[in-house]
This record gives sequence, structure tokens and C-alpha cells, in this order.
Amino acid sequence: QVQLLQSGSEVKKPGASVKVSCKASGYTFTSYHMQWLRQAPGQGLEWMGIISPSGGNTNYAQKFQGRVTMTRDTSTSTVYMELSSLSSEDTAVYFCARDPGGFPHFGPSPGAYWGQGTLVTVSS
Amino acid sequence: EIVLTQSPGTLSLSPGERATLSCRASQSVSSSWLAWYQQKPGQAPRLLIYGASSRATDIPDRFSGSGSGTDFTLTISRLQPEDFAVYYCQLYHNSPGAFGQGTKVEIK
Repeated sequence: QVQLLQSGSEVKKPGASVKVSCKASGYTFTSYHMQWLRQAPGQGLEWMGIISPSGGNTNYAQKFQGRVTMTRDTSTSTVYMELSSLSSEDTAVYFCARDPGGFPHFGPSPGAYWGQGTLVTVSS
Repeated sequence: EIVLTQSPGTLSLSPGERATLSCRASQSVSSSWLAWYQQKPGQAPRLLIYGASSRATDIPDRFSGSGSGTDFTLTISRLQPEDFAVYYCQLYHNSPGAFGQGTKVEIK
């Protein structure tokens, strides 16, 4: 079965960077794009971007351009999301998500499989 | 950017009742690009519907989606105790997409 296992909670100071991992299992890692989304406390969801595990191509939401970097390691079936220049507004739960299949479009897609979420707290 | 507005903000119903949730887009969108999710506290969202009306894998048939243009609806035909949660609509395909602010379905 498809599983996405994310790294644990992080506490960062303003101006720092955070790197969250998402390890995939139960399917062919390079056959499906992976998205990253976030959810601030008590708020709705926000799409951050997408990475192609096969070629490493990325497509970031304009809001995060210049601050977010998504990478992958095919040897461990893991994708990473690094967000820099953190502020208190970046305090959120960060999720990786995979589409259900049949969505080759390289942009926001329905998230059928989700990681458990990683809480990133930015506080001085 | 397209904005999705969900209504009502909170829906108070009893188990067995029918729930009708609305998602309105600020401009006409392709129904192929509309999804619905359920989210419970402390959990990741669960995909219910994509393409406006296609049920995701293992989703019970009491959940149905409909709509086109700017108006979309998620219907839960007979609420089960496990259906009380927050529901989000999502517009996908074009970056950055959009999510509605959510509708909370609570026990009356």
C-alpha cells in the first residue's frame, strides 16, 4: 500500500531554514509527481509546489518562488522540501501528497495519498 | 487568482440527515479540476471527490459531487457518525490552485 512517511516536528528561529523529508513506499517512486502543501494553525490548505521524482523538475507556487527548494533522492525514494527565510507566518503543518494516478499535469493535482504532516514552528 | 468560497461555514445536523455543502468559484472553472476533501482534527485531508463528481478509491457512495461553471456541491446522503468533520473544496490544475476556507459539519 502507498505510504508517505514524513520527518518529525521542527522548531526554528526567524530567518532560519527548515528541511522536511517525505519517504515514499508501496509504489514506483519515479512514476508519480509529489506535491507539498501546508496548513497554518486553524486555517485552510495552501499548495506550495510539485516535484517530478524521475527528473527532479520542479514547479513552485509564485508565492514561494525564491524561498522554497524541492529535491529528491531516488536511491531512498525520498523527496525533500526546504523553506528558507522563515518567519512566524510560516508556522504550519507541512504535508507531502501524491495524486491518485492519471494526472500527468505538472501542477496542483488532487491529493489521494498524504504524509502524516510535519509541524514547523517558527518562534524567537 | 480564482477564489473559492464555501458555505455555510458550519452545518449542524443529526446522524442520518442529508448534508449539502456549497463551493462557489469567483470565475467559471472546468469541472474537471474540482476536488473535495474531508479532514478530521490532527489528520491529513482525505480525498473524497475529484473531477467534480468522481469518487476516490474506497469512498462510500453516500458521498457525491456535482456542479459546473462556478457552483459546485458536495452531498452526503445520510450522515454517519464518522462524517462529522471539516470539508474543503480544491481547484487544481493551474498553479497555484485554490482551496476553500472549509465547512465544518458538526453534530446537532
